Amino acid sequence: KNEVEQSPQNLTAQEGEFITINCSYSVGISALHWLQQHPGGGIVSLFMLSSGKKKHGRLIATINIQEKHSSLHITASHPRDSAVYICAVTPHPRETSGSRLTFGEGTQLTVNP
Amino acid sequence: NAGVMQNPRHLVRRRGQEARLRCSPMKGHSHVYWYRQLPEEGLKFMVYLQKENIIDESGMPKERFSAEFPKEGPSILRIQQVVRGDSAAYFCASSPSVNTEAFFGQGTRLTVV
Repeated sequence: KNEVEQSPQNLTAQEGEFITINCSYSVGISALHWLQQHPGGGIVSLFMLSSGKKKHGRLIATINIQEKHSSLHITASHPRDSAVYICAVTPHPRETSGSRLTFGEGTQLTVNP
Repeated sequence: NAGVMQNPRHLVRRRGQEARLRCSPMKGHSHVYWYRQLPEEGLKFMVYLQKENIIDESGMPKERFSAEFPKEGPSILRIQQVVRGDSAAYFCASSPSVNTEAFFGQGTRLTVV
C-alpha cells in the first residue's frame, strides 16, 4: 500500500463546476504539498501546509492532521485548470530526510468548456 | 531570482551511451533533490544532496547511476550505459534548508533509443 493515496485517479468536469481531490497518507508528516503538472511540463508547487486551510485564488487546500487527510478544492473550474494534481508529503524529520517528498500517484483533471 | 534550472530539457541517447543531467538550484538553496517519473507512473525520490555531500541515496539504482553536487557549479545526475528502461522525466528540486518548501525545475526528459 502506498504511503500517499489520492482519489480519484481521473476526474472530468464541466467548466464552472466545484472540484475536490482527496489525499490520504499513512505516515507521520511535517508538511503536505499540493503540486500541479501540465502535460510535458514542469511541476509547480500550489500549497505547502501543516495544519488548517490555505486559499490562493480559486484554489483551497485543507488538511486534517488527526485523520491524515487533505483535500484540494477548485472553485469555478476552467479548462486551463486541466492538469495532473499531485499530493506529496514531507515525512517527519529524520537525520537524512531533509525536505524529500513522497508522492501520490496524481489525479488527472480534465475540465471541458 | 531565477528558479531551478535544469538542462537539457530533452535528451536523446542511444543504448549504452552516458546521460548527464544538470540542475542549478535557486540562489541561496543548498539542498538538492532528484526525482524520477517513469512513463505513466508517479514521481519517485532518487537522491538528496547538499553541497559536496550525498545525504540520502536510498532511491538510486545501485548500478550505473551517480549524483554529485560540487562546491561550485550545478548538481549532476549521471547515468552510465543507458538502457531503454531509463527513459523517463527527471526532476530536480531545491530548498534553502531542511523542512522548507522545495521548488522544482522543468525537468529533463530522457529518451533512450
